[in-house]
Amino acid sequence: EAQVTQNPRYLITVTGKKLTVTCSQNMNHEYMSWYRQDPGLGLRQIYYSMNVEVTDKGDVPEGYKVSRKEKRNFPLILESPSPNQTSLYFCASSPAGQGQTQYFGPGTRLLVL
Amino acid sequence: GQQVMQIPQYQHVQEGEDFTTYCNSSTTLSNIQWYKQRPGGHPVFLIQLVKSGEVKKQKRLTFQFGEAKKNSSLHITATQTTDVGTYFCAGQTGANNLFFGTGTRLTVIP
Repeated sequence: EAQVTQNPRYLITVTGKKLTVTCSQNMNHEYMSWYRQDPGLGLRQIYYSMNVEVTDKGDVPEGYKVSRKEKRNFPLILESPSPNQTSLYFCASSPAGQGQTQYFGPGTRLLVL
Repeated sequence: GQQVMQIPQYQHVQEGEDFTTYCNSSTTLSNIQWYKQRPGGHPVFLIQLVKSGEVKKQKRLTFQFGEAKKNSSLHITATQTTDVGTYFCAGQTGANNLFFGTGTRLTVIP
């Protein structure tokens, strides 16, 4: 089944404790991205990757890192999480860019205390 | 920053009534996509509009792209409880810029 998977689905952590949210897609998509969703703000892009070893900042990249060592995986790293990073995070992929259908993962709900 | 505005933020309708959500961009869009997110779920692609003035239909859903390619609308005829969710537009302004609207949360009262 074609899908985007994220882990963990739920996470409670404390300020400053490094964490990684994994994202994997099995559709051989070149393009992957991360969004955060907050009430009243919709979906805001954090980082995106056009292909392996190619990443770029989205609208709200501060406090986040990403890597794209393999085509299928695009982990989101919070080196030192802060409470303002409490949010619902979605990973998405598409065949070749933002002009094509975005396939979203199930989401990761993060609470930073 | 945010370049695609979407209204209304919330809409409550009686089952059977129509519903419309609107998206407006300050800049010309190369294309616009629409997504639906069910409560507790993730956004799911509905449709993409590319041409100026384009109108597409999916059963009770009608999507329009403005002549100037700066606005778009989604209209649902005779809403059903299965239509509940948040509807997002997403406008592309360049090769790597896709901006999501803030979404319209639709509640359908049986």
